[in-house]
Amino acid sequence: NAGVTQTPKFRVLKTGQSMTLLCAQDMNHEYMYWYRQDPGMGLRLIHYSVGEGTTAKGEVPDGYNVSRLKKQNFLLGLESAAPSQTSVYFCASRYAPDRQGPTDTQYFGPGTRLTVL
Amino acid sequence: DAKTTQPTSMDCAEGRAANLPCNHSTISGNEYVYWYRQIHSQGPQYIIHGLKNNETNEMASLIITEDRKSSTLILPHATLRDTAVYYCIVRVGLRGGSEKLVFGKGTKLTVNP
Repeated sequence: NAGVTQTPKFRVLKTGQSMTLLCAQDMNHEYMYWYRQDPGMGLRLIHYSVGEGTTAKGEVPDGYNVSRLKKQNFLLGLESAAPSQTSVYFCASRYAPDRQGPTDTQYFGPGTRLTVL
Repeated sequence: DAKTTQPTSMDCAEGRAANLPCNHSTISGNEYVYWYRQIHSQGPQYIIHGLKNNETNEMASLIITEDRKSSTLILPHATLRDTAVYYCIVRVGLRGGSEKLVFGKGTKLTVNP
């Protein structure tokens, strides 16, 4: 059971280039999330998904797109990278909440460190 | 969204209890308080959460005031490996049944030998 994994661990892009970050989880979680973390800051939600084939915007979605074609994978795409997207990106997943009350938690991956020059 | 306020940094001696405070005066009645920590810029690690009752697990205890405007995370016997940034987080509901974790800047806890 690997938990939440992220690919790649590090990446350097030039302004205008595109790339896709992959998040995979083997816990059969329904919900998945993408966050970004800037230096000295907490995490901010970019996009999330409540199930296969569904996505929704978080706090800071501009400049990113996502897809959830398979339950275990959540992809984050940057179509035209900008220096402002230099950050550490974290993926998380969790079970759908218990109908009797939210008791489960989000499990985070190790992060992808992205630099845009 | 409810916001949290934490001290920027704290120090604790190894073997002693570490008490990390958090203010969340604008929290709503159905919003949970979660604590996560982050070691060396790794992914955040869940510690504990609560709504209004005090909670305890194998890692820590969470004390929530009766008015729910503040809480304290207690690490009963801090070790050097507990050195990390600790985040007090309010769990906010989103459409579709999901939620987001609203992170602040956290408290940098340094456990000293």
